[in-house]
Amino acid sequence: DSGVTQTPKHLITATGQRVTLRCSPRSGDLSVYWYQQSLDQGLQFLIQYYNGEERAKGNILERFSAQQFPDLHSELNLSSLELGDSALYFCASSPQRGGQVSYEQYFGPGTRLTVT
Amino acid sequence: GEDVEQSLFLSVREGDSSVINCTYTDSSSTYLYWYKQEPGAGLQLLTYIFSNMDMKQDQRLTVLLNKKDKHLSLRIADTQTGDSAIYFCAESPLSYNTDKLIFGTGTRLQVFP
Repeated sequence: DSGVTQTPKHLITATGQRVTLRCSPRSGDLSVYWYQQSLDQGLQFLIQYYNGEERAKGNILERFSAQQFPDLHSELNLSSLELGDSALYFCASSPQRGGQVSYEQYFGPGTRLTVT
Repeated sequence: GEDVEQSLFLSVREGDSSVINCTYTDSSSTYLYWYKQEPGAGLQLLTYIFSNMDMKQDQRLTVLLNKKDKHLSLRIADTQTGDSAIYFCAESPLSYNTDKLIFGTGTRLQVFP
């Protein structure tokens, strides 16, 4: 158990809908990362938050957004869903504070999203 | 560009050593990581190596880094059936504000008796 929790574990929804994925980081970790794992794109970085502020963006679609709340949990919002959004969405956390030092990232179990 | 390459598949006999290879592109990467993903599960951090090191050993795992060739390998000694999984290498390119991970394609390790 990494200490990172994600809910829900599975989500099935229809095209055009909107869903929210939730992540609680390890106790004390200020940074939260979202990654998408799909068959065609592999594991891709989406976005990072540090202590409530957006720190970096990766290959995240405009239909997707995220935020980190004062209690440090994070939510990833996916809207206008398409079939191609079906994937495993991972959240990770680390104590990373920015700069040149890298810290280990610990991953949650993921949320499997199926868009029908 | 950001591109981390791995061979897709490796099959070994139980008790033998496994060597999983990875080639990364960003020479600025300060840390390089190995993650394990079992079926239906999340990513488990196995080990990592700092870029100024050549080797790191952790029980049955040995990581070798050739910075000149941007080549990383993971050796698993005495491979067991429980080691069957997908192994991802990842790099963390140097950046002033983020340590996002760039993952390889993953190598599926199959261990047979």
